[in-house]
Amino acid sequence: EAGVTQSPTHLIKTRGQQATLRCSPISGHTSVYWYQQALGLGLQFLLWYDEGEERNRGNFPPRFSGRQFPNYSSELNVNALELEDSALYLCASSPGLAGRQFFGPGTRLTVL
Amino acid sequence: GNSVTQMEGPVTLSEEAFLTINCTYTATGYPSLFWYVQYPGEGLQLLLKATKADDKGSNKGFEATYRKETTSFHLEKGSVQVSDSAVYFCALRRSYNTDKLIFGTGTRLQVFP
Repeated sequence: EAGVTQSPTHLIKTRGQQATLRCSPISGHTSVYWYQQALGLGLQFLLWYDEGEERNRGNFPPRFSGRQFPNYSSELNVNALELEDSALYLCASSPGLAGRQFFGPGTRLTVL
Repeated sequence: GNSVTQMEGPVTLSEEAFLTINCTYTATGYPSLFWYVQYPGEGLQLLLKATKADDKGSNKGFEATYRKETTSFHLEKGSVQVSDSAVYFCALRRSYNTDKLIFGTGTRLQVFP
């Protein structure tokens, strides 16, 4: 069974640009979570989508947004990129509420 | 609020040494507690978990016991191997609102032969 996949693996942008990160959950999983792993800050919860709707949001500005598609895949969009947005962005999926979260390999975003 | 505090690294050990990585938490209610591991170049993997007080999670020789009286969930292994070198994250999830995981900042373990 395929695990959670994320694309691209690496993404390099300049300040002010927009970045789009993609995540495909494990087949049958309806929940997708996004986390930011910035250097020295550990993992911070960003967003949670379930059945196409945003269920919860972490303490991040509105320029971090996303969506979940009917096939349960998800996009994370970061607008007006800032240098401090450079981080590893991890996606996780679970089979709905209370399910174990399985993590993808991440997308490393570098903002120059 | 809910939070997780774990010891700063890196923790540097020789092969076969005893490992302890401390983790304490602050949470309302009765959270579930987790240890995740991130090997170099790989995504996060669940290492072990405990869902109620006095539960002991164990996997691959690692153990952690949910101590409600000390709000701790310390990770231990009796004899580490070079292959255990990774970053270890302690995390909690509130039992009554089963959404996000709240992570500690991670502890890097380096094991030398």
